[in-house]
Amino acid sequence: GQQLNQSPQSMFIQEGEDVSMNCTSSSIFNTWLWYKQEPGEGPVLLIALYKAGELTSNGRLTAQFGITRKDSFLNISASIPSDVGIYFCAGQYSGAGSYQLTFGKGTKLSVIP
Amino acid sequence: DGGITQSPKYLFRKEGQNVTLSCEQNLNHDAMYWYRQDPGQGLRLIYYSQIVNDFQKGDIAEGYSVSREKKESFPLTVTSAQKNPTAFYLCASGGAGTGELFFGEGSRLTVL
Repeated sequence: GQQLNQSPQSMFIQEGEDVSMNCTSSSIFNTWLWYKQEPGEGPVLLIALYKAGELTSNGRLTAQFGITRKDSFLNISASIPSDVGIYFCAGQYSGAGSYQLTFGKGTKLSVIP
Repeated sequence: DGGITQSPKYLFRKEGQNVTLSCEQNLNHDAMYWYRQDPGQGLRLIYYSQIVNDFQKGDIAEGYSVSREKKESFPLTVTSAQKNPTAFYLCASGGAGTGELFFGEGSRLTVL
């Protein structure tokens, strides 16, 4: 299947700092999505992006769909302790009846109060 | 409340036994999915179903089986043929063709 390279794998930041993580792919996607997973829970959708170049915000979160359709980034501004979790990017290519998502391996975020 | 429910949350099994994980949704979603998550790994697709009475293999279907007899339900059976079944299993649902998925809380299976 398609591969997504998500980086960094983990990060430790001080409360109040901004965070940036990204995903790259060797293939193009029609949709990029960002999910957050807290310990022992299922992932929750944060942001969905549907157009190359699109920049979308959700509170302190901002995500962009790369112009080449092969990458996306997620920024978190002014981090707080409840931002702790694993953030997953996911790409979807809709074509030939296939709608499968490909997930990155996640970025584990730790926030130091 | 609308949502997706997985059970059991924790399950222990002896080697050689089949186990079935339940997934029920009342979101009226056409599509349902099963993912496996291992530490430090992303989510890997086991099986998915876009419509009742139809399902397709994902990337790691060997040793697993599913059924989709009702729109609301998509149970996963982990068979004794699955060589390394200890993992966290996630069920998800969504509208047909969309990547916007709703996940259950997961089922953690441990093989003793």
